[in-house]
Amino acid sequence: SQQGEEDPQALSIQEGENATMNCSYKTSINNLQWYRQNSGRGLVHLILIRSNEREKHSGRLRVTLDTSKKSSSLLITASRAADTASYFCATVTNTGNQFYFGTGTSLTVIP
Amino acid sequence: GAGVSQTPSNKVTEKGKYVELRCDPISGHTALYWYRQSLGQGPEFLIYFQGTGAADDSGLPNDRFFAVRPEGSVSTLKIQRTERGDSAVYLCASSNYSGASTDTQYFGPGTRLTVL
Repeated sequence: SQQGEEDPQALSIQEGENATMNCSYKTSINNLQWYRQNSGRGLVHLILIRSNEREKHSGRLRVTLDTSKKSSSLLITASRAADTASYFCATVTNTGNQFYFGTGTSLTVIP
Repeated sequence: GAGVSQTPSNKVTEKGKYVELRCDPISGHTALYWYRQSLGQGPEFLIYFQGTGAADDSGLPNDRFFAVRPEGSVSTLKIQRTERGDSAVYLCASSNYSGASTDTQYFGPGTRLTVL
């Protein structure tokens, strides 16, 4: 069963706007990772945030983690049409053996 | 270097048939994972190999599913007596497992299995 749940399920924005996606999970984690998937392709790792971190940046990406609320958010600033894809959060247990993926947010950036 | 590759990219089979899906991980990666992704869903963990052994196969849905990695590199996911509900994209990922749960997984493009 999947542990993470993303919202919204779908998001449509204009190019240049910011996109925010949220992820909630159920159990204790070691870290949380965000992945991107273009239609019909494999997943690409975007960013990892450890359980003892609260915020992390990578280029136009900003990730926050609130372990007390068991939630994370991914912010993409100054979106581009090429950002159109599905975005998944994956929670990783302390054993590191299993990645639990959420149901994903489908992002459409309109040029 | 080359990424994770999976063959075939598409497989159409009839209900009740046997299928094999192949995964070539990134050279040198010791950990290999299989996932199943249904339409509109996130990937669902099936099995994880560390080297040649299946370290965690708790995600395999039933005994019709089996996976091997005999030499610690290429892996084959085997599905017996396929059912229509097995239709999905099967994803493989590998990582250079160092024992830390922060290892990044690198995904292949997947095999789309359709059971008629």
